[in-house]
Amino acid sequence: GEDVEQSLFLSVREGDSSVINCTYTDSSSTYLYWYKQEPGAGLQLLTYIFSNMDMKQDQRLTVLLNKKDKHLSLRIADTQTGDSAIYFCAEALYGGYNKLIFGAGTRLAVHP
Amino acid sequence: GAVVSQHPSWVICKSGTSVKIECRSLDFQATTMFWYRQFPKQSLMLMATSNEGSKATYEQGVEKDKFLINHASLTLSTLTVTSAHPEDSSFYICSASIQRDNNEQFFGPGTRLTVL
Repeated sequence: GEDVEQSLFLSVREGDSSVINCTYTDSSSTYLYWYKQEPGAGLQLLTYIFSNMDMKQDQRLTVLLNKKDKHLSLRIADTQTGDSAIYFCAEALYGGYNKLIFGAGTRLAVHP
Repeated sequence: GAVVSQHPSWVICKSGTSVKIECRSLDFQATTMFWYRQFPKQSLMLMATSNEGSKATYEQGVEKDKFLINHASLTLSTLTVTSAHPEDSSFYICSASIQRDNNEQFFGPGTRLTVL
């Protein structure tokens, strides 16, 4: 079945890089997304990658996709306290209305 | 950018009453809208997918008679929780999608429902 898994918690020092990992099971996914959720708020799209790409860089964010291993990662360079939030990876499945399957979310805590 | 609003942002109701939550795409026409439910410290679970003018498609395990979805226009979808019970208390989030390259979903800010 469709499943997306993430580690639940990550703590980093301000200024360091953060790497959040995600694995998925469905090989028919078209796009893979990273969303950020701050407390009590909705989801904000950070970045996305098409399934035929290996890497995408967008300012401080780098997304790596290993399609063979069904592994997705998000690297945040120079992590700031404002980056503290929950990060969800999600895959869009081929067909239908591009239903999104979300991981459980990784809580990123940035400390001085 | 594409903005999605939800109303109300929070609601408290008595057990047995019905609650309606609105989801609006403010500056674009959404071909599809989605309704999610999020429990504390958990992921979003898709409840249903709706397209304007047609019946919603519900995910397995979601009671369509309890969670009524109406998608009356390309900018408005409503979710009505009928005969709400305390176990329906949750954070409900909608999203709206435009048919374009990355099929991005734009999320509303969520509605926190507490049933007493």
